[in-house]
Formats: sequence, C-alpha cells, structure tokens
Amino acid sequence: DSGVTQTPKHLITATGQRVTLRCSPRSGDLSVYWYQQSLDQGLQFLIQYYNGEERAKGNILERFSAQQFPDLHSELNLSSLELGDSALYFCASSGVGALNTEAFFGQGTRLTVV
Amino acid sequence: QQQVKQSPQSLIVQKGGISIINCAYENTAFDYFPWYQQFPGKGPALLIAIRPDVSEKKEGRFTISFNKSAKQFSLHIMDSQPGDSATYFCAARGTSGSRLTFGEGTQLTVNP
Repeated sequence: DSGVTQTPKHLITATGQRVTLRCSPRSGDLSVYWYQQSLDQGLQFLIQYYNGEERAKGNILERFSAQQFPDLHSELNLSSLELGDSALYFCASSGVGALNTEAFFGQGTRLTVV
Repeated sequence: QQQVKQSPQSLIVQKGGISIINCAYENTAFDYFPWYQQFPGKGPALLIAIRPDVSEKKEGRFTISFNKSAKQFSLHIMDSQPGDSATYFCAARGTSGSRLTFGEGTQLTVNP
C-alpha cells in the first residue's frame, strides 16, 4: 500500500458528461501529480500541485482541470468527455527535501467513456 | 530535452535469466532516476532509484547501472522469475519536488 488513495476505482460515463476524480496523498506529502495512462501507452504527466498551488502543467486538455484543497487532497475534473478520454488516471504524491524525493502512486481510477 | 527513451518495448526471458532494460535521456539537469514496476490494473510502484553521483546501485536481484557521460541508465534483473512479469518504466526528474518524466515502458515476460 503506497499510502495514496484514489476514488473511485472504476468509473463508466457517457460522452459529453463531466466527472471528478479524487486523490488523497500520503500523510505529510505536499505535492500531488496527475498522470494519464491510455491503453498500451506510457504515463503522460497532466498537472502538479504543491501545497494548494499549481506548480507545473503538462499535456492537460483545456476540458480538464484540477485543484488541491487546504487538506491537501486533490481533484481532477474532466468535462465534455470523449471516447478518447478513456484511460487510467493516476495520482502520485511526494514530499520535499533530499529525504523525500520518491513519488508514490495510487491504484488509479479507470475511466471508461461510452 | 524532456524526453526519456526506453528500450526494448517488450522482452521475453526464461526463468533464471537476466533481464536488461535500457533508458537514455537528454536533459543534463535530471538528477534522480527511478525505476517503477507496474502490474496490470495497478499503480506503478517504486522499485529502485539512483542518483548520478554513483555508477551502480544494487538491491537484491535488481541493479541500476548509470553512465553519466553517455546519459544512459539501465535496469538489470538477475535470476528473473515469473513473478517479475510486469511493465517496467524508467523515469527521470530534475530538482526535488518536480515531476517525473517517464520512458515508454517495457513489458517483461518471464517464462517458467
């Protein structure tokens, strides 16, 4: 168990809909990262938050947004969903400083858009 | 400059053999190189990591070899077991707290 919790584990929704994925980082970790993994694809970085503030942005579509709340949990919002958005979405968290460099991943949310 | 190239895409090894996966990077600002193991339907799990001030790190059957001048690093799995069958990702990161850049992944199959 990595200590990173993602909910829900599975999500099936229709095209055009909006969903919210939730991530609770490991206790004490200030950074949260979101990654997308499509079928047979690698891990594509979407966005990073650090202590409530957006720190880095990757290949995130304009239809997607994220935020990190004061209790450090994060949500990834996906709207106007398309079939191609079907993927595994992973959240990872890490601490800061030389002794907290590892990123730990949650079990992911499998999103299926039909 | 942010890419990490990984090869091979897939690898089949007999039980007891050595599995070798290679990665190359361009960005000289990277200073942390982890390997992740991912089983189907699960999240990537940190396997082993290295910093560029050492050329090799060994943990059990897993060894990372690092060549800073060539900007390459590799994962060696000794005495490979069927339970090692998984997808392996190399990654690289710059400053502490910044995001990981992943390789494309290698699907390893260890035959009994």
